[in-house]
Amino acid sequence: QVQLQESGPGLVKPSETLSLTCAVSGYSISSGYYWGWIRQPPGKGLEWIGSIYHSGSTYYNPSLKSRVTISVDTSKNQFSLKLSSVTAADTAVYYCARGELPDYWGQGTLVTVSS
Amino acid sequence: DIQMTQSPSSLSASVGDRVTITCRASQGIRNDLGWYQQKPGKAPKRLIYAASSLQSGVPSRFSGSGSGTEFTLTISSLQPEDFATYYCLQHNSYLTFGGGTKVEIK
Repeated sequence: QVQLQESGPGLVKPSETLSLTCAVSGYSISSGYYWGWIRQPPGKGLEWIGSIYHSGSTYYNPSLKSRVTISVDTSKNQFSLKLSSVTAADTAVYYCARGELPDYWGQGTLVTVSS
Repeated sequence: DIQMTQSPSSLSASVGDRVTITCRASQGIRNDLGWYQQKPGKAPKRLIYAASSLQSGVPSRFSGSGSGTEFTLTISSLQPEDFATYYCLQHNSYLTFGGGTKVEIK
């Protein structure tokens, strides 16, 4: 079955760049679908960050667009998130997911922004 | 940007109750909407897609309706495992989540 797994540092310093990778198994990214990132600050709701198509075309949440880069590596069947100039407000559980209306999700990874 | 207003933000209900949650879109989104259930410490689980289509494996007590700007998730008879937080998500223009509805035990 389709599985997604996030990985990356759990602690990032303010003003630095948050980098996460989502490894996909059970489905080839090259076969289709959008692949996206969603986050959830502790105790709060869900926020879409952005998505990438298998071809590499991207679209981002307008409120985060200036700081977000999402890329895909079809050879490794994974996609990645970079969020620059982070602050404490970027502390959240970060999820990767498949689809415009996501059907498969990773388990999530907590990223804390703190010095 | 499309805003999704979800109500209520929380509710208390008993096992067996009928529960209704509403999402209103700031502009028409056809039926480009889904509903998700999230339990503490877990990723969201898709219940409904295309506003009213039941995800495979989801109990039939869950149903969705609506089109355009008004959408509803109904749980016909609340079960103990249904106590969770529910979110709507529109994907007509970018993606926007509703604020969530926490369903608690009465």
